[in-house]
Amino acid sequence: DAGITQSPRYKITETGRQVTLMCHQTWSHSYMFWYRQDLGHGLRLIYYSAAADITDKGEVPDGYVVSRSKTENFPLTLESATRSQTSVYFCASQGGFATEAFFGQGTRLTVV
Amino acid sequence: AQTVTQSQPEMSVQEAETVTLSCTYDTSESNYYLFWYKQPPSRQMILVIRQEAYKQQNATENRFSVNFQKAAKSFSLKISDSQLGDTAMYFCAFMTSSNSGYALNFGKGTSLLVTP
Repeated sequence: DAGITQSPRYKITETGRQVTLMCHQTWSHSYMFWYRQDLGHGLRLIYYSAAADITDKGEVPDGYVVSRSKTENFPLTLESATRSQTSVYFCASQGGFATEAFFGQGTRLTVV
Repeated sequence: AQTVTQSQPEMSVQEAETVTLSCTYDTSESNYYLFWYKQPPSRQMILVIRQEAYKQQNATENRFSVNFQKAAKSFSLKISDSQLGDTAMYFCAFMTSSNSGYALNFGKGTSLLVTP
């Protein structure tokens, strides 16, 4: 299917476990982003990437790791999940700078 | 630091009426881009409208238009003839290319309820 997809859509994990959220886009967009959405905070940028093998920290990167070995994939890993990382996570991609960003459906992560 | 402020956490409007959502931003950059995104209850993020800072003409997309005041760093969204399907969270966002990054920076959002 064409577009941008996130998996899983829902995830419950325990404190201290490692968990990876997947993001895949089929357009070969250069730019990809990870945001978390929390009530009262809007969307906050975790990490972003301008191309394969290029990643940059956003506003709230602590506790997260990303990689981008292929243009179409941008996985987000929580190395040791904490309850404060309970959130809805959105992946997005852009074909060119400041063009329309397309978002995935989001992953609701609960850390217990 | 670049910030986006949406001062209205919640708003309500009756169907067919007009409503304006406020957004202000702070930047030292001269060239940048502004966006409004809509997030309905489905959680999907949808682009509503986009404005390039160097263009003086306000962007318009059907019932949606913006009032871009560059000197005041203001970027409000006007929704005309409101429809029940406009009920959603609306996010103002800002993007520039600078040493501080090139990603979309979002405001905290305005929850809009359209009532019959």
